[in-house]
Amino acid sequence: QKEVEQDPGPLSVPEGAIVSLNCTYSNSAFQYFMWYRQYSRKGPELLMYTYSSGNKEDGRFTAQVDKSSKYISLFIRDSQPSDSATYLCAMGGEPGGYQKVTFGTGTKLQVIP
Amino acid sequence: SAVISQKPSRDICQRGTSLTIQCQVDSQVTMMFWYRQQPGQSLTLIATANQGSEATYESGFVIDKFPISRPNLTFSTLTVSNMSPEDSSIYLCSVPEEAPGEKLFFGSGTQLSVL
Repeated sequence: QKEVEQDPGPLSVPEGAIVSLNCTYSNSAFQYFMWYRQYSRKGPELLMYTYSSGNKEDGRFTAQVDKSSKYISLFIRDSQPSDSATYLCAMGGEPGGYQKVTFGTGTKLQVIP
Repeated sequence: SAVISQKPSRDICQRGTSLTIQCQVDSQVTMMFWYRQQPGQSLTLIATANQGSEATYESGFVIDKFPISRPNLTFSTLTVSNMSPEDSSIYLCSVPEEAPGEKLFFGSGTQLSVL
């Protein structure tokens, strides 16, 4: 079993739709959670970061963490064509200082105008 | 956040040859990381490059295949040696934020195709 499981998609939605991207994980030692966005032919860029269960909102993006279920989600409201990218979940151990980060395989999202 | 310049952005190479990828950061950083991203696979850490010491390689990666240099706090190179088609992948340079260090910043990557 992989430490982090992520549906690879691809996911195709119409503009304005609400998008839900999800990851599950098996390692209960993970303490902080991130979502990266990767455009074609670009490196990943950090989109959301959180280290607690619950929701964190940033504009149209909401990151949700449920540590009891080992499940994290990224919601995108009012999706735009510019949101078309691959979204990678990532997680690591104890907060503070560098710890090895484990990535999901990424979900490719296409938002159709 | 750090600005990371990586080159070349892409290359097509012949089997058995070597390619050196360069990574330049706009600020001094203690740690630099090299990742591989294969189609359908998660980002995989190849090694950690520390200035002034040997790179630390992850399981499955060896120095003879992926030699790394780290001559100063803003620059690193990764060489992919004696390439085979299985080495076709995207290679990414990454640095952590200096404090507290959990967030990673990435270069734009090198798309390598080996024929």
